Amino acid sequence: DTGVSQDPRHKITKRGQNVTFRCDPISEHNRLYWYRQTLGQGPEFLTYFQNEAQLEKSRLLSDRFSAERPKGSFSTLEIQRTEQGDSAMYLCASSLLSGGTQYFGPGTRLLVL
Amino acid sequence: AQSVTQPDIHITVSEGASLELRCNYSYGATPYLFWYVQSPGQGLQLLLKYFSGDTLVQGIKGFEAEFKRSQSSFNLRKPSVHWSDAAEYFCAVGGNRDDKIIFGKGTRLHILP
Repeated sequence: DTGVSQDPRHKITKRGQNVTFRCDPISEHNRLYWYRQTLGQGPEFLTYFQNEAQLEKSRLLSDRFSAERPKGSFSTLEIQRTEQGDSAMYLCASSLLSGGTQYFGPGTRLLVL
Repeated sequence: AQSVTQPDIHITVSEGASLELRCNYSYGATPYLFWYVQSPGQGLQLLLKYFSGDTLVQGIKGFEAEFKRSQSSFNLRKPSVHWSDAAEYFCAVGGNRDDKIIFGKGTRLHILP
């Protein structure tokens, strides 16, 4: 068990550019979650997957955001046409179905200039 | 609507003193409750969770929390804090074992030597 990993750990981009983040969950974990954390706030739910199926999306996830988990293992979160308001820490978590504990990765910190 | 309130943004205690961090939740059904800790540069780590049963829950690092349904509270306690406990603490609520988690805004704990 190597824990949840996220790549990259930091990303600086210019407004209008596209960015993609990757999350590798703990192996055999069925559920994978994406959260966003801005400065001084707690994490906010964005979306989650059970295996490859995306089961719920928050209203925070605008049309510029898309998430995939194509083979039920790793997941990607893409932000198109980034805006300064997208600057945040993007957190990924995974859990075993009915296990009840979400294990979080270290996050990807995005700065949009 | 589901929500979590952590009324204290910052708390400062002396090393060796006791600690209580407050958390109140709003949830329409039986809640699943969590406390997470986040240290600078680290991911979120689960301290403890309450799903059912005994309302006094023991966690890691000497922390405990008590679920009080009548007060909609889930306060975190530690009898004697250590300098390494300085971090941000998040209370969170979920609807079941696999549900997304709703986080509070966090309480930053400072430790005086």
